[in-house]
Amino acid sequence: GENVEQHPSTLSVQEGDSAVIKCTYSDSASNYFPWYKQELGKRPQLIIDIRSNVGEKKDQRIAVTLNKTAKHFSLHITETQPEDSAVYFCAATFTGGGNKLTFGTGTQLKVEL
Amino acid sequence: EPEVTQTPSHQVTQMGQEVILRCVPISNHLYFYWYRQILGQKVEFLVSFYNNEISEKSEIFDDQFSVERPDGSNFTLKIRSTKLEDSAMYFCARGLDVYSYNEQFFGPGTRLTVL
Repeated sequence: GENVEQHPSTLSVQEGDSAVIKCTYSDSASNYFPWYKQELGKRPQLIIDIRSNVGEKKDQRIAVTLNKTAKHFSLHITETQPEDSAVYFCAATFTGGGNKLTFGTGTQLKVEL
Repeated sequence: EPEVTQTPSHQVTQMGQEVILRCVPISNHLYFYWYRQILGQKVEFLVSFYNNEISEKSEIFDDQFSVERPDGSNFTLKIRSTKLEDSAMYFCARGLDVYSYNEQFFGPGTRLTVL
């Protein structure tokens, strides 16, 4: 079955710096890769996603890149702010297979003042 | 505004008891999912539900679990005989719409505590 690995498990940056979180997936049939942000005690919130026919997608301060050959994708957050502090999860799915999301193990991002 | 609402927000039960967790969609979507998240761990897929039928289930979703859409609106997850290890947050998620079933939006979750 699908396996998604995520690194690092914790990441601490200074406010204004960039943060990068990386994930690799095992199933070459996966074609949809969302990123979720989860604040303490809250639900995962979809912040950005990318499909396998696109190499990069950007939405204001966040961007996601996908390398299908290497089977890895990354989340980039620029100009980090304290409110970016949360746990970030990557996920992968193959559409047409029930669309179940396989999640990574999460990255605790802390943005320090 | 939540994509779906879930009740109860917190459920405490004794081991061996049955629990029913409810998910109420805001509008009439076809794709629904249940996930669970043990405290401090990653989100795990349980089951997907399309057009009132199970489309896929994980190895976690054993005979103790069942899903229903009893009145065509509410979407329930039942655990027949709870175990201590069932303690977790349970999230219902829905697909965006019938044409964009990839995107999944999570409800606020139900915290299940099994004593």
